[in-house]
Amino acid sequence: DTAVSQTPKYLVTQMGNDKSIKCEQNLGHDTMYWYKQDSKKFLKIMFSYNNKELIINETVPNRFSPKSPDKAHLNLHINSLELGDSAVYFCASSQDPWVNSTYGYTFGSGTRLTVV
Amino acid sequence: KQEVTQIPAALSVPEGENLVLNCSFTDSAIYNLQWFRQDPGKGLTSLLLIQSSQREQTSGRLNASLDKSSGRSTLYIAASQPGDSATYLCAVSRDNYGQNFVFGPGTRLSVLP
Repeated sequence: DTAVSQTPKYLVTQMGNDKSIKCEQNLGHDTMYWYKQDSKKFLKIMFSYNNKELIINETVPNRFSPKSPDKAHLNLHINSLELGDSAVYFCASSQDPWVNSTYGYTFGSGTRLTVV
Repeated sequence: KQEVTQIPAALSVPEGENLVLNCSFTDSAIYNLQWFRQDPGKGLTSLLLIQSSQREQTSGRLNASLDKSSGRSTLYIAASQPGDSATYLCAVSRDNYGQNFVFGPGTRLSVLP
């Protein structure tokens, strides 16, 4: 199936641990993103990668680091997890958003991270 | 299967006009509906979220309404400005986790100075 897939779907971990969330897209899209969904369900962009270059880096703690081994993957690594990191994290991908509007914009199903 | 459509696909207006963007969805069993904005080269920015039990939400010059029974939402932008130029998307979510978004194709708005 063509899709944006992210794993795991649920992640429960203790404070202070280091964890990674993986994301893969087989749509041939140029850009991949990580979003954090807050408690009010609003999406806030964290990172964006285009052809292995970071093009957006919002003011997120440097404990969060995106890692892109190739165009089809954008993993999110989080160090020293804190309670406030609990949220749903979404991976997404798109073609050049300006050329195609956002029709090719595809989200992964999300990873619910719970830090205890 | 949920389908979301948006009309118009593109809109160009002079600065200062009030405008309405439309969103329709086929399955009324939604949990919430969100309006997003996307600027060129950037990701999505959430603008307004309406829970299925609500009828409207307001933020500044933006007002979004929801008529779940008819499967429609509108985004009203008052006194448009050139800085409002972007693509506007609506998306519906069928569960509380917000992990199942269905997006519309977007309306590309240009506000001319």
